[in-house]
Amino acid sequence: EAGVAQSPRYKIIEKRQSVAFWCNPISGHATLYWYQQILGQGPKLLIQFQNNGVVDDSQLPKDRFSAERLKGVDSTLKIQPAKLEDSAVYLCASSPGRLQETQYFGPGTRLLVL
Amino acid sequence: AQTVTQSQPEMSVQEAETVTLSCTYDTSESDYYLFWYKQPPSRQMILVIRQEAYKQQNATENRFSVNFQKAAKSFSLKISDSQLGDAAMYFCAYGLFGNEKLTFGTGTRLTIIP
Repeated sequence: EAGVAQSPRYKIIEKRQSVAFWCNPISGHATLYWYQQILGQGPKLLIQFQNNGVVDDSQLPKDRFSAERLKGVDSTLKIQPAKLEDSAVYLCASSPGRLQETQYFGPGTRLLVL
Repeated sequence: AQTVTQSQPEMSVQEAETVTLSCTYDTSESDYYLFWYKQPPSRQMILVIRQEAYKQQNATENRFSVNFQKAAKSFSLKISDSQLGDAAMYFCAYGLFGNEKLTFGTGTRLTIIP
């Protein structure tokens, strides 16, 4: 079974530029998550989708971050404009969607904002 | 709000020895799940072990076992016969039953000494 795919793996941009990350979850997984992991910290949930609907986006900085999951499969996370403090690893995870099933993580996208 | 605390930023253990990683959490809920995730250097996060709060028996997975103390809100991970491949960041995470969102601790970096 293929795992969670993410691209790009690394991205370097200057502040005020925009950037987009892509995630392809495990086939058949209904729930998709985007986490932000700042160096030295644990992952923090940014947004959770159930199929193509948003379940929780309470910690998403909506003035600059946006995410979508068209057709309930792939997802894109966008930052516009980026700030220095957005430098982090952005992790995508998916789960089958039943209660408290294990979350499977992708390799992450490491973002550096200069 | 639920919080997860890992008080050991770094731990080291001799190969083949046993090590215990600590985790405490704060919640007023009774139905929840606890997880230990492993994040090797530059590799993706994988689940090590999970524990349902309603189960009194401690979970075990081969060389990995937990000591779950519900009243004390403690959830430690014991790694027996440590191997070089166990070197990683270990994150403790909490999930509330009925809400798939996970809250992570800050992690413990485990070094295995050959």
